[in-house]
Amino acid sequence: GAVVSQHPSWVICKSGTSVKIECRSLDFQATTMFWYRQFPKQSLMLMATSNEGSKATYEQGVEKDKFLINHASLTLSTLTVTSAHPEDSSFYICSARGIGGYEQYFGPGTRLTVT
Amino acid sequence: QQQVKQSPQSLIVQKGGISIINCAYENTAFDYFPWYQQFPGKGPALLIAIRPDVSEKKEGRFTISFNKSAKQFSLHIMDSQPGDSATYFCAATNTGNQFYFGTGTSLTVIP
Repeated sequence: GAVVSQHPSWVICKSGTSVKIECRSLDFQATTMFWYRQFPKQSLMLMATSNEGSKATYEQGVEKDKFLINHASLTLSTLTVTSAHPEDSSFYICSARGIGGYEQYFGPGTRLTVT
Repeated sequence: QQQVKQSPQSLIVQKGGISIINCAYENTAFDYFPWYQQFPGKGPALLIAIRPDVSEKKEGRFTISFNKSAKQFSLHIMDSQPGDSATYFCAATNTGNQFYFGTGTSLTVIP
Protein backbone atom coordinates (compact mmCIF):
# COMPACT_ATOMS: atom_id res chain seq x y z
CA GLY A 1 0.00 0.00 0.00
CA ALA A 2 0.83 3.75 0.05
CA VAL A 3 2.01 4.03 -3.54
CA VAL A 4 2.70 7.39 -5.12
CA SER A 5 3.34 7.77 -8.83
CA GLN A 6 4.83 10.61 -10.82
CA HIS A 7 4.59 11.34 -14.49
CA PRO A 8 6.68 11.82 -16.46
CA SER A 9 9.75 10.15 -14.97
CA TRP A 10 11.96 12.34 -17.09
CA VAL A 11 11.43 15.24 -19.44
CA ILE A 12 13.57 17.40 -21.65
CA CYS A 13 12.23 20.77 -22.71
CA LYS A 14 13.49 23.89 -24.39
CA SER A 15 14.14 27.06 -22.49
CA GLY A 16 11.03 29.23 -22.26
CA THR A 17 8.51 26.42 -22.43
CA SER A 18 6.35 25.08 -19.59
CA VAL A 19 6.36 21.60 -18.17
CA LYS A 20 3.71 19.89 -16.06
CA ILE A 21 4.50 17.10 -13.62
CA GLU A 22 1.75 14.95 -12.15
CA CYS A 23 1.78 13.31 -8.76
CA ARG A 24 -0.83 10.71 -7.88
CA SER A 25 -1.55 8.71 -4.76
CA LEU A 26 -2.68 5.38 -6.15
CA ASP A 27 -4.14 3.56 -3.17
CA PHE A 28 -4.91 6.18 -0.57
CA GLN A 29 -6.37 9.63 -0.29
CA ALA A 30 -3.77 12.32 0.17
CA THR A 31 -4.97 15.32 2.10
CA THR A 32 -1.55 16.91 1.81
CA MET A 33 1.03 16.69 -0.92
CA PHE A 34 4.53 18.07 -0.88
CA TRP A 35 6.86 19.05 -3.69
CA TYR A 36 10.60 18.80 -3.28
CA ARG A 37 13.59 19.63 -5.38
CA GLN A 38 16.82 17.69 -5.05
CA PHE A 39 20.21 18.56 -6.45
CA PRO A 40 22.85 15.86 -6.98
CA LYS A 41 24.22 14.43 -3.75
CA GLN A 42 22.13 16.83 -1.68
CA SER A 43 19.18 16.55 0.62
CA LEU A 44 15.56 17.25 -0.19
CA MET A 45 14.53 20.86 -0.44
CA LEU A 46 10.87 21.50 0.23
CA MET A 47 9.35 23.79 -2.37
CA ALA A 48 5.72 23.86 -1.36
CA THR A 49 2.96 22.13 0.55
CA SER A 50 -0.50 21.74 -0.89
CA ASN A 51 -3.76 20.70 0.67
CA GLU A 52 -6.61 19.45 -1.44
CA GLY A 53 -8.80 22.30 -2.56
CA SER A 54 -6.55 25.01 -1.10
CA LYS A 55 -3.81 27.20 -2.42
CA ALA A 56 -0.31 25.84 -1.99
CA THR A 57 2.00 27.21 0.65
CA TYR A 58 5.38 27.99 -0.81
CA GLU A 59 8.69 27.98 1.02
CA GLN A 60 10.68 31.14 1.24
CA GLY A 61 12.60 31.81 -1.94
CA VAL A 62 10.38 29.67 -4.17
CA GLU A 63 8.69 31.67 -6.90
CA LYS A 64 5.00 30.82 -6.82
CA ASP A 65 4.40 32.30 -10.25
CA LYS A 66 7.09 30.07 -11.71
CA PHE A 67 6.22 26.86 -9.93
CA LEU A 68 2.45 26.52 -10.14
CA ILE A 69 0.96 23.87 -7.91
CA ASN A 70 -2.56 22.56 -8.13
CA HIS A 71 -4.08 19.99 -5.79
CA ALA A 72 -7.44 19.49 -7.37
CA SER A 73 -8.37 16.17 -5.82
CA LEU A 74 -7.40 13.85 -2.98
CA THR A 75 -5.30 11.78 -5.35
CA LEU A 76 -3.73 14.27 -7.73
CA SER A 77 -1.39 17.21 -7.48
CA THR A 78 0.42 18.89 -10.35
CA LEU A 79 3.53 21.04 -10.53
CA THR A 80 3.91 23.25 -13.57
CA VAL A 81 7.27 24.82 -14.20
CA THR A 82 6.52 27.89 -16.28
CA SER A 83 8.97 29.51 -18.66
CA ALA A 84 11.60 26.97 -17.74
CA HIS A 85 15.27 27.89 -17.82
CA PRO A 86 18.38 25.73 -17.60
CA GLU A 87 18.76 26.57 -13.90
CA ASP A 88 15.40 24.85 -13.30
CA SER A 89 16.95 21.57 -14.35
CA SER A 90 16.70 19.30 -11.34
CA PHE A 91 15.13 16.22 -9.81
CA TYR A 92 11.60 16.99 -8.63
CA ILE A 93 9.97 14.68 -6.13
CA CYS A 94 6.47 14.74 -4.74
CA SER A 95 5.21 13.08 -1.61
CA ALA A 96 1.78 12.49 -0.19
CA ARG A 97 0.40 12.18 3.28
CA GLY A 98 -2.80 10.37 4.05
CA ILE A 99 -5.64 11.28 6.34
CA GLY A 100 -4.68 11.29 10.01
CA GLY A 101 -1.10 10.17 9.56
CA TYR A 102 2.36 11.69 9.69
CA GLU A 103 3.99 9.41 7.16
CA GLN A 104 5.03 10.89 3.85
CA TYR A 105 5.17 8.55 0.89
CA PHE A 106 7.37 9.68 -1.94
CA GLY A 107 6.94 9.38 -5.66
CA PRO A 108 9.76 8.07 -7.86
CA GLY A 109 10.77 11.57 -8.95
CA THR A 110 10.91 13.43 -12.24
CA ARG A 111 14.18 14.42 -13.86
CA LEU A 112 13.75 17.75 -15.65
CA THR A 113 16.37 18.92 -18.10
CA VAL A 114 15.95 22.34 -19.70
CA THR A 115 18.05 22.96 -22.78
CA GLN B 1 19.91 26.65 10.69
CA GLN B 2 20.06 22.91 10.31
CA GLN B 3 17.24 21.46 12.40
CA VAL B 4 18.50 17.92 12.03
CA LYS B 5 22.19 17.11 11.84
CA GLN B 6 23.21 13.82 10.26
CA SER B 7 26.52 11.99 10.29
CA PRO B 8 28.57 10.57 8.76
CA GLN B 9 28.30 12.00 5.26
CA SER B 10 29.52 8.73 3.81
CA LEU B 11 30.06 5.26 5.16
CA ILE B 12 31.76 2.16 3.83
CA VAL B 13 30.95 -1.15 5.46
CA GLN B 14 31.93 -4.72 4.71
CA LYS B 15 29.19 -7.17 3.83
CA GLY B 16 27.77 -8.65 6.99
CA GLY B 17 28.85 -5.71 9.12
CA ILE B 18 26.76 -3.20 11.02
CA SER B 19 26.06 0.21 9.48
CA ILE B 20 25.32 3.01 11.93
CA ILE B 21 24.04 6.43 10.98
CA ASN B 22 23.41 9.12 13.53
CA CYS B 23 21.13 12.13 13.72
CA ALA B 24 20.72 14.88 16.28
CA TYR B 25 18.00 17.44 16.67
CA GLU B 26 17.32 20.53 18.75
CA ASN B 27 13.56 21.01 18.73
CA THR B 28 12.09 19.03 21.61
CA ALA B 29 8.64 19.41 20.06
CA PHE B 30 9.55 16.91 17.32
CA ASP B 31 7.50 13.77 17.84
CA TYR B 32 8.04 11.67 14.74
CA PHE B 33 11.39 10.54 13.39
CA PRO B 34 11.46 8.62 10.10
CA TRP B 35 14.34 7.22 8.10
CA TYR B 36 14.29 7.12 4.33
CA GLN B 37 16.33 5.08 1.86
CA GLN B 38 17.03 6.51 -1.57
CA PHE B 39 18.61 4.77 -4.54
CA PRO B 40 20.14 6.84 -7.35
CA GLY B 41 17.51 8.33 -9.63
CA LYS B 42 14.65 7.22 -7.38
CA GLY B 43 12.48 8.86 -4.80
CA PRO B 44 13.08 8.22 -1.09
CA ALA B 45 11.29 5.28 0.46
CA LEU B 46 10.14 5.20 4.05
CA LEU B 47 12.27 2.63 5.84
CA ILE B 48 11.32 2.82 9.47
CA ALA B 49 10.05 5.47 11.88
CA ILE B 50 9.87 5.99 15.61
CA ARG B 51 8.04 8.18 18.08
CA PRO B 52 9.76 9.50 21.23
CA ASP B 53 7.78 7.33 23.63
CA VAL B 54 9.94 4.31 22.81
CA SER B 55 13.72 3.95 22.85
CA GLU B 56 14.07 1.37 20.12
CA LYS B 57 12.18 0.02 17.16
CA LYS B 58 13.23 -2.92 15.06
CA GLU B 59 12.02 -4.02 11.66
CA GLY B 60 13.98 -6.89 10.18
CA ARG B 61 17.62 -5.86 9.89
CA PHE B 62 16.83 -2.21 10.54
CA THR B 63 16.72 -0.74 14.03
CA ILE B 64 16.16 2.80 15.24
CA SER B 65 17.65 3.71 18.59
CA PHE B 66 16.23 6.83 20.18
CA ASN B 67 17.74 8.82 23.03
CA LYS B 68 15.28 11.52 24.08
CA SER B 69 17.50 13.11 26.71
CA ALA B 70 20.40 13.44 24.29
CA LYS B 71 18.09 14.43 21.43
CA GLN B 72 19.69 11.86 19.19
CA PHE B 73 18.50 8.95 17.14
CA SER B 74 20.32 6.47 15.00
CA LEU B 75 19.74 3.87 12.34
CA HIS B 76 21.45 0.52 12.65
CA ILE B 77 21.57 -1.84 9.70
CA MET B 78 22.54 -5.31 10.81
CA ASP B 79 24.17 -7.83 8.47
CA SER B 80 24.63 -5.11 5.85
CA GLN B 81 24.28 -6.28 2.26
CA PRO B 82 25.47 -4.77 -1.04
CA GLY B 83 21.81 -4.15 -1.87
CA ASP B 84 21.67 -1.77 1.09
CA SER B 85 24.06 0.58 -0.71
CA ALA B 86 22.04 3.77 -0.99
CA THR B 87 21.65 7.20 0.53
CA TYR B 88 19.87 7.36 3.85
CA PHE B 89 18.08 10.41 5.21
CA CYS B 90 16.79 10.96 8.70
CA ALA B 91 13.99 13.42 9.32
CA ALA B 92 11.94 14.92 12.11
CA THR B 93 8.60 16.62 12.41
CA ASN B 94 6.13 17.68 15.03
CA THR B 95 3.10 18.41 12.91
CA GLY B 96 3.49 16.26 9.84
CA ASN B 97 3.37 19.42 7.76
CA GLN B 98 7.01 20.35 7.91
CA PHE B 99 9.63 17.64 7.76
CA TYR B 100 13.21 18.56 8.53
CA PHE B 101 15.63 16.30 6.70
CA GLY B 102 19.20 15.49 7.50
CA THR B 103 21.86 16.02 4.87
CA GLY B 104 22.03 12.35 3.96
CA THR B 105 24.53 9.52 4.34
CA SER B 106 25.86 7.66 1.36
CA LEU B 107 26.30 4.01 2.38
CA THR B 108 28.45 1.62 0.39
CA VAL B 109 28.50 -2.04 1.37
CA ILE B 110 31.52 -3.83 0.00
CA PRO B 111 30.98 -7.50 -0.97
